Amino acid sequence: SQTIHQWPATLVQPVGSPLSLECTVEGTSNPNLYWYRQAAGRGLQLLFYSVGIGQISSEVPQNLSASRPQDRQFILSSKKLLLSDSGFYLCAWGGPGANVLTFGAGSRLTVL
Amino acid sequence: GESVGLHLPTLSVQEGDNSIINCAYSNSASDYFIWYKQESGKGPQFIIDIRSNMDKRQGQRVTVLLNKTVKHLSLQIAATQPGDSAVYFCAENNDYKLSFGAGTTVTVRA
Repeated sequence: SQTIHQWPATLVQPVGSPLSLECTVEGTSNPNLYWYRQAAGRGLQLLFYSVGIGQISSEVPQNLSASRPQDRQFILSSKKLLLSDSGFYLCAWGGPGANVLTFGAGSRLTVL
Repeated sequence: GESVGLHLPTLSVQEGDNSIINCAYSNSASDYFIWYKQESGKGPQFIIDIRSNMDKRQGQRVTVLLNKTVKHLSLQIAATQPGDSAVYFCAENNDYKLSFGAGTTVTVRA
């Protein structure tokens, strides 16, 4: 069966520090991968998605970047965090051509 | 901006009663809709989905209704239980990307 892992689960970082959130998927090949952000009490906003290694599409201009160094690995990064980067970050995967996404447990980022 | 929205941000329901959660969408070209449940501090979990060529689909204790004429989606939960307390999101799929509404928080009263 397929599983998705995200880490770290929680992170407290000072403004201006770098960020790296990692997501891996097991039990599938060539998944579509997604990063969403959820602000408190809000819906999910799509940040990045990827249909293959090295292929990244950005949905909104921001202080973050994403990379896909391996087929089942998706990384969310920032060189210098802003206060506004605080939130709950969710990684998700979908099979090629699939309509339903499966989400990870999320990473809660607090920037102070 | 968001293309999917929910009518009410909160819903309080007595245990054992039926719950109805509503959602309006704006993209008439959307052909696939999904309901997710999110418990506090966790990622969203799939509940049920429906294609635009259907108007009703049933699962275990849940039913999704789709009215394309008014671009309205609803989730019905039968015999609501304490474990149903969560935030519920509707989402529409466009080109394999999901757009979410803000969510409805369901609280079940004992």
